[in-house]
Amino acid sequence: VVLTQSPGTLSLSPGERATLSCRASQSVSSSYLAWYQQKPGQAPRLLMYGASIRATGIPDRFSGSGSGTDFTLTISRLEPEDFAVYFCQQSGSSSYTFGQGTKLEIK
Amino acid sequence: QVHLQESGPGLVKPSQTLSLTCTVSGGSISSGGYYWTWIRQHPGKGLEWIGNIFYSGSTYYNPSLQSRVTISVDTSKNQFSLKLSSVTAADTAVYYCARYHSGSWAFLDYWGQGTLVTVSS
Repeated sequence: VVLTQSPGTLSLSPGERATLSCRASQSVSSSYLAWYQQKPGQAPRLLMYGASIRATGIPDRFSGSGSGTDFTLTISRLEPEDFAVYFCQQSGSSSYTFGQGTKLEIK
Repeated sequence: QVHLQESGPGLVKPSQTLSLTCTVSGGSISSGGYYWTWIRQHPGKGLEWIGNIFYSGSTYYNPSLQSRVTISVDTSKNQFSLKLSSVTAADTAVYYCARYHSGSWAFLDYWGQGTLVTVSS
């Protein structure tokens, strides 16, 4: 399964709303769709799993949605610490793949 | 709190074998429901799933790397390991170990800090 994330780069200001897309080449179970945040020099951190369930400690400005082949990560009001790279990831049929990432940068 | 830590050489010569170990603390590697995973990230690039192993020894390998990869587990030491043979410069990357939670949902919940492996003579 190929995951395609868009846009590649998103330039926004703090306080704005961010919408990140993850599209799968074939249907993915929502239970097996996760999102990660990665900051420079750090390992990725789990944000969402089951497409819409926030991981422990993740603030409620982060939300996830979608099903089938189209999934979305939304950050309602950007905080300075949210500017990072975001990856979606799927597990299914003994295959595991990541999207190529969306870089969220400060405008 | 589960903690994972990668260890191994940071420099490997072309055609040789890359060997890394991940030590797990704060939890048993023999706990059911988890697969112990290796992932890599080429400089400035995305994430690539290398493979994973269950404590019983059953493995999954990325088909693109399968011919060169071996992942093993040592439950007595609470460690799992990666061997990647016949390396080239294209294998230069940050290598992460992580815990993959498998069940009603599936996700990578704990990651090591990552270790940069450079392939160069």
